[in-house]
Amino acid sequence: DTGVSQDPRHKITKRGQNVTFRCDPISEHNRLYWYRQTLGQGPEFLTYFQNEAQLEKSRLLSDRFSAERPKGSFSTLEIQRTEQGDSAMYLCASSLVAWGSTETQYFGPGTRLLVL
Amino acid sequence: DAKTTQPNSMESNEEEPVHLPCNHSTISGTDYIHWYRQLPSQGPEYVIHGRTSNVNNRMASLAIAEDRKSSTLILHRATLRDAAVYYCIHGGSNYKLTFGKGTLLTVNP
Repeated sequence: DTGVSQDPRHKITKRGQNVTFRCDPISEHNRLYWYRQTLGQGPEFLTYFQNEAQLEKSRLLSDRFSAERPKGSFSTLEIQRTEQGDSAMYLCASSLVAWGSTETQYFGPGTRLLVL
Repeated sequence: DAKTTQPNSMESNEEEPVHLPCNHSTISGTDYIHWYRQLPSQGPEYVIHGRTSNVNNRMASLAIAEDRKSSTLILHRATLRDAAVYYCIHGGSNYKLTFGKGTLLTVNP
């Protein structure tokens, strides 16, 4: 399967621990997005990359959150000193942006985080 | 952020057509209208998009009002697999998607 993959699919951690999630986008896609989704709500934008450059970060992304896309391929999202409020589904999406057309984002299955 | 208005929930019977409405009165001339859906325990899935003309693909049809302030996603024959939350999105920028709460579609056998 050549879709967007995310690892792990589920993560349970204790408050105060650090966690890292990985996203592998569709090959050749130049944009990669991270979203967060809490129960009963639609996904909320966190940040996005154009190739390896991080171009925007939401105000939702506190100092404890950091994202990287070192070689313009896979990306990692790290949360330091997790809090119970970080419990959510973290979604990754990728797209291929071409001049003169709108983009379609393809989402991964998400990583469900539970902070105890 | 661009806002859309959708009913919280709708119900349909299997093999019947479903019309999912969306109001986007603040849409600008360059905005596209995107529809995504999210099945239980999965990430959102692209359904269809358009700007001015009605659009068809293998999954659905998109009917866009002449003033572009509303649109309707049409599933021609609902199946149980179509039960999902459907999100209507428009944006002024060609990147981040601003999701609302969407419409929860229930399909009855």
